[in-house]
Amino acid sequence: GEDVEQSLFLSVREGDSSVINCTYTDSSSTYLYWYKQEPGAGLQLLTYIFSNMDMKQDQRLTVLLNKKDKHLSLRIADTQTGDSAIYFCAESPGSSNTGKLIFGQGTTLQVKP
Amino acid sequence: EAQVTQNPRYLITVTGKKLTVTCSQNMNHEYMSWYRQDPGLGLRQIYYSMNVEVTDKGDVPEGYKVSRKEKRNFPLILESPSPNQTSLYFCASSPGTSGRIYNEQFFGPGTRLTVL
Repeated sequence: GEDVEQSLFLSVREGDSSVINCTYTDSSSTYLYWYKQEPGAGLQLLTYIFSNMDMKQDQRLTVLLNKKDKHLSLRIADTQTGDSAIYFCAESPGSSNTGKLIFGQGTTLQVKP
Repeated sequence: EAQVTQNPRYLITVTGKKLTVTCSQNMNHEYMSWYRQDPGLGLRQIYYSMNVEVTDKGDVPEGYKVSRKEKRNFPLILESPSPNQTSLYFCASSPGTSGRIYNEQFFGPGTRLTVL
């Protein structure tokens, strides 16, 4: 079945790197996404990666995809207090043509000054 | 400004009292969806709509109804709310799925519902 798993909590110091991990089960997923949810707000797309890529870099963000292990990670370099939020990994199941996204439980990132 | 709006943002109600949460998008998106967010469970899809008058069940549809009479609006209806529907609800929209595999969804700000 379709499932996405994330650890629930990560705490880092300001200036350190953060790495948020995600595993998924649907090997036919075409796109994988990272969404950010700030307190009291909806989700915003942070970045995404196409399934035929291993890595994508966007300023302070690096997404790594290990398709063999069905493992996705989001690295935030030089983490700032403004990065404190909940981060959701999501996949587009390849078997679905309904636009469905499967979300993980969300990882709460706490950045200490 | 391109956005998805939801109303109300906060609602406290009692068991059995029918309520509607509205959702509207101004991006001419075909696809709209409702999710509920519960601690430790992430977001779970309730209902979705691929176009006007086309709706279908998501993963947790029990106790909810939707309608899509116009492209921009996708209200969520709870005919007889119960305490287990206390949750944070999000509406989302995207350009559509026809011929696309990339599906960025744009989310509303959320509606926090408490059913006593």
